[in-house]
Amino acid sequence: DTEVTQTPKHLVMGMTNKKSLKCEQHMGHRAMYWYKQKAKKPPELMFVYSYEKLSINESVPSRFSPECPNSSLLNLHLHALQPEDSALYLCASRGAGGRETQYFGPGTRLLVL
Amino acid sequence: DAKTTQPTSMDCAEGRAANLPCNHSTISGNEYVYWYRQIHSQGPQYIIHGLKNNETNEMASLIITEDRKSSTLILPHATLRDTAVYYCIVRVADLSGNTPLVFGKGTRLSVIA
Repeated sequence: DTEVTQTPKHLVMGMTNKKSLKCEQHMGHRAMYWYKQKAKKPPELMFVYSYEKLSINESVPSRFSPECPNSSLLNLHLHALQPEDSALYLCASRGAGGRETQYFGPGTRLLVL
Repeated sequence: DAKTTQPTSMDCAEGRAANLPCNHSTISGNEYVYWYRQIHSQGPQYIIHGLKNNETNEMASLIITEDRKSSTLILPHATLRDTAVYYCIVRVADLSGNTPLVFGKGTRLSVIA
């Protein structure tokens, strides 16, 4: 099974709301990632977790707060977002090893009003 | 920044082979070539990857030049469902998972009936 699941599929939130995106994988992967993708653009890396510790933050604003509660779960907590944060948020995971494949979830389509 | 150069768009007739080129002239000896595709509004899908030998799987073939400075992804019999953005990505063989995929602009392949 090479599945990465993400919930919810769609999310609409106001600028004062707090919401969370969830990502789950059961492949035993110890590296997990959040990407953001705007319309007609390639995915852009936001965060990297390796062995449940945050290892890379690509200068993401603090209104995005990642969390890795265990090796199978990755959350992205959202607070006080702006309309320009509307995008497709993608989660991915990868196993250890130099040639391991990175697998992506289907994404959460976020609209901030 | 992405280390690859791909044509912006390509067309292919249904049933014919689609040959997607990628230039990666600055590739290092320990970097793999990965191909992913993204069908509209879905998560990126892994296709194939290789180091220096040609590779084939049930989806596609990957041809890497002897000097490793370029590669070609071949979809042997393109169908309308192969219409997508195809990304060629080089990534170092990293055991920790701290080196995620970095996406360039990709090639938009349109398969035409």
